Amino acid sequence: GENVEQHPSTLSVQEGDSAVIKCTYSDSASNYFPWYKQELGKGPQLIIDIRSNVGEKKDQRIAVTLNKTAKHFSLHITETQPEDSAVYFCAASKTNSKLTFGKGITLSVRP
Amino acid sequence: DSGVTQTPKHLITATGQRVTLRCSPRSGDLSVYWYQQSLDQGLQFLIQYYNGEERAKGNILERFSAQQFPDLHSELNLSSLELGDSALYFCASSVQVSYNSPLHFGNGTRLTVT
Repeated sequence: GENVEQHPSTLSVQEGDSAVIKCTYSDSASNYFPWYKQELGKGPQLIIDIRSNVGEKKDQRIAVTLNKTAKHFSLHITETQPEDSAVYFCAASKTNSKLTFGKGITLSVRP
Repeated sequence: DSGVTQTPKHLITATGQRVTLRCSPRSGDLSVYWYQQSLDQGLQFLIQYYNGEERAKGNILERFSAQQFPDLHSELNLSSLELGDSALYFCASSVQVSYNSPLHFGNGTRLTVT
């Protein structure tokens, strides 16, 4: 089955800097890659997703890039703010196959 | 607010007991998913229902069962509870049956088994 890995497990950045979170996946047939943000005491919230027919997608300060050849995708957050501090999960799936989540990365934005 | 409602928020019970977790999906969503989140295992898929029918099973124990009712709300039943069942249990919903559609998560039920 699919295996999704996130590195590193924690990331600390200064407010205003950019943060990049990387994920790798194992199944070359995977075609859907969402990113979720989980704040303390809440459920994961979808923040952006990308499909395999697109290489990059942006939404304000957030962008996701996909490299199908290398089987990795990354979340880019620019101009980080303290409220960006949370756990971020990447996931991957293919048609008719369940979403497989990475183990999450804790992002801390230092004021 | 995702629109997915889970009750109760917290549940404390003893080993060997049985509990029921409830989920109301977003209006219009036909698919309901259950996930277990523990510190060392991340988000583990348990089971999916679509419009009342079971569609997929993940790492769900035989002591656990679920169902989706005609009004589309879902319940997850956990029986013969063990200490290791302590975790956060999330419900998520989506419009389509396909896994390639966005999932919207509730805020979870924190289960503590003592």
